[in-house]
Amino acid sequence: ETGVTQSPTHLIKTRGQQVTLRCSSQSGHNTVSWYQQALGQGPQFIFQYYREEENGRGNFPPRFSGLQFPNYSSELNVNALELDDSALYLCASSSGQGDRNEQFFGPGTRLTVL
Amino acid sequence: AQSVTQLDSQVPVFEEAPVELRCNYSSSVSVYLFWYVQYPNQGLQLLLKYLSGSTLVKGINGFEAEFNKSQTSFHLRKPSVHISDTAEYFCAVSKNTNAGKSTFGDGTTLTVKP
Repeated sequence: ETGVTQSPTHLIKTRGQQVTLRCSSQSGHNTVSWYQQALGQGPQFIFQYYREEENGRGNFPPRFSGLQFPNYSSELNVNALELDDSALYLCASSSGQGDRNEQFFGPGTRLTVL
Repeated sequence: AQSVTQLDSQVPVFEEAPVELRCNYSSSVSVYLFWYVQYPNQGLQLLLKYLSGSTLVKGINGFEAEFNKSQTSFHLRKPSVHISDTAEYFCAVSKNTNAGKSTFGDGTTLTVKP
């Protein structure tokens, strides 16, 4: 069983640019959540995708957008990058609802905005 | 709205000593509670969760936590720590049993010294 994978591992961008981060969910999982983890802080919920539809969003501006594909992999897009967007971006996948399920995290993508 | 406060940002402890990492939460609705561990350059791994039933929950690596509804706390404990327990620990709450759309605390750095 393959776990959650993310690409790229590291990324350096300049202010104003756009970035796309990718996440492959664990086999059998149809739900992907994205989190932003700034240095020294806990992860903050960005949004969740369930069966290709957005299923909840945290307190992030519209320049943070996402997609989920038919194979349940997902992308996080950030437009007009700002210095404060520098963070570790984590995705987590789960198999929908049910108390026997849990979300499994990928290793993250570290984004640096200069 | 819900929030999580981890009362200690850093906890140094000697090997084989007991440890307690404190977590308080607030929420206007019923929530489920989770503890995660994050090793350097890795994603988060679920240690344990409280969904219902017994207020004392046991997790992996010898950790346990006690849910206290009256004090809105969910403290994590281990009777004897190892060097390998050195990591960042996060407490989280969610309205979903699979921890989707979680709200996280800012983390506690546990450092186990020989």
